[in-house]
Amino acid sequence: DSGVTQTPKHLITATGQRVTLRCSPRSGDLSVYWYQQSLDQGLQFLIQYYNGEERAKGNILERFSAQQFPDLHSELNLSSLELGDSALYFCASSVTTGSGANVLTFGAGSRLTVL
Amino acid sequence: GEDVEQSLFLSVREGDSSVINCTYTDSSSTYLYWYKQEPGAGLQLLTYIFSNMDMKQDQRLTVLLNKKDKHLSLRIADTQTGDSAIYFCAEMDSNYQLIWGAGTKLIIKP
Repeated sequence: DSGVTQTPKHLITATGQRVTLRCSPRSGDLSVYWYQQSLDQGLQFLIQYYNGEERAKGNILERFSAQQFPDLHSELNLSSLELGDSALYFCASSVTTGSGANVLTFGAGSRLTVL
Repeated sequence: GEDVEQSLFLSVREGDSSVINCTYTDSSSTYLYWYKQEPGAGLQLLTYIFSNMDMKQDQRLTVLLNKKDKHLSLRIADTQTGDSAIYFCAEMDSNYQLIWGAGTKLIIKP
């Protein structure tokens, strides 16, 4: 158990629908990252939040949005779903070590299947 | 822009050493990382190295860094079937963001 909790683990839905993925970071970690991993593809960085504020944005579609709440958990909202949105969605939380390294800890992922 | 490149596949025999290579472009990278992803699981940090180090060893894992050539490698000694996974290389840029490689799938032959 990495300490980063993602729900749901699996989700099957239809095109055009909307889903919400949830992430609870490790205790004490202020940063949350969202990544998408499609079949046979690497990690695509979507967005990062730090202590409730958006810190960095990657290749996140306009149909997707995220937020981080005061208790530091985060949600990724995916709307108007398309077949190509089927993927593993990972959340990671991070802490900057005393030496300055940014170390990410990943959750087990949420597997989204769009039919 | 910044880029991290890795070979997509590596096949080794059980018991041999595996060497997974990675090249990066950002000369201002301060830390470089290796993560492991087993099938159906999230990414797990294996190790990371500060850019002013040449080598870091941790049990069966040896990381070598050639900063001049911007080349990072991960050597796994005595490769076992449990080492079958995708190995991701990443570098930390000046904004503390991690730039990821596409991952190398390590295949173990009996």
